[in-house]
Amino acid sequence: EAAVTQSPRSKVAVTGGKVTLSCHQTNNHDYMYWYRQDTGHGLRLIHYSYVADSTEKGDIPDGYKASRPSQENFSLILELASLSQTAVYFCASSDSYEQYFGPGTRLTVL
Amino acid sequence: GDSVTQTEGQVTVSESKSLIINCTYSATSIAYPNLFWYVRYPGEGLQLLLKVITAGQKGSSRGFEATYNKETTSFHLQKASVQESDSAVYYCALSDRGTQVVGQLTFGSGTRLQVYA
Repeated sequence: EAAVTQSPRSKVAVTGGKVTLSCHQTNNHDYMYWYRQDTGHGLRLIHYSYVADSTEKGDIPDGYKASRPSQENFSLILELASLSQTAVYFCASSDSYEQYFGPGTRLTVL
Repeated sequence: GDSVTQTEGQVTVSESKSLIINCTYSATSIAYPNLFWYVRYPGEGLQLLLKVITAGQKGSSRGFEATYNKETTSFHLQKASVQESDSAVYYCALSDRGTQVVGQLTFGSGTRLQVYA
């Protein structure tokens, strides 16, 4: 049973549109993270959260918002999607230095 | 800041041959970070393959091994005999125990391993 799930698994969005990526974990972990990966690059941290109703900025937060309404759920929001946000997005949960990842969401902005 | 370098974007190996995927790191705020190898199989999320938190130690899992070498700041991944099922993308990563973000990982760019019969 997958412990971190993401939806949708892929999405095509139009420039300027709003996009919401969702993540759900059943690990009972306090920490959750959103990363993006661009071709030929490693994963980079966008936002993270260590408790429900609170989010923090990671290394590349510009153009993204995050929401953590409960311990299990963590969303990434692109209010005005741009071409440069085309990437694969990974969600993860952690209670220590080991992270557990979801399968990723491939976002294409046209 | 911290960085992880994987020089090979793709490696192609014949089944039963040996494999080495190179990884070097730089951790600016701490001498001995935690080091990890993650693997991503097609259609799945990243999975932890192995981790080593003590310099000089070796980690192993599923036939893969990696030794934490603090002199050369390297953490190369090796396997003596690969199988087609090992085809995946492999990521080297570190966590800086001095970071404010618990569990924050710095990743290399990944190495895609293609094993052919």
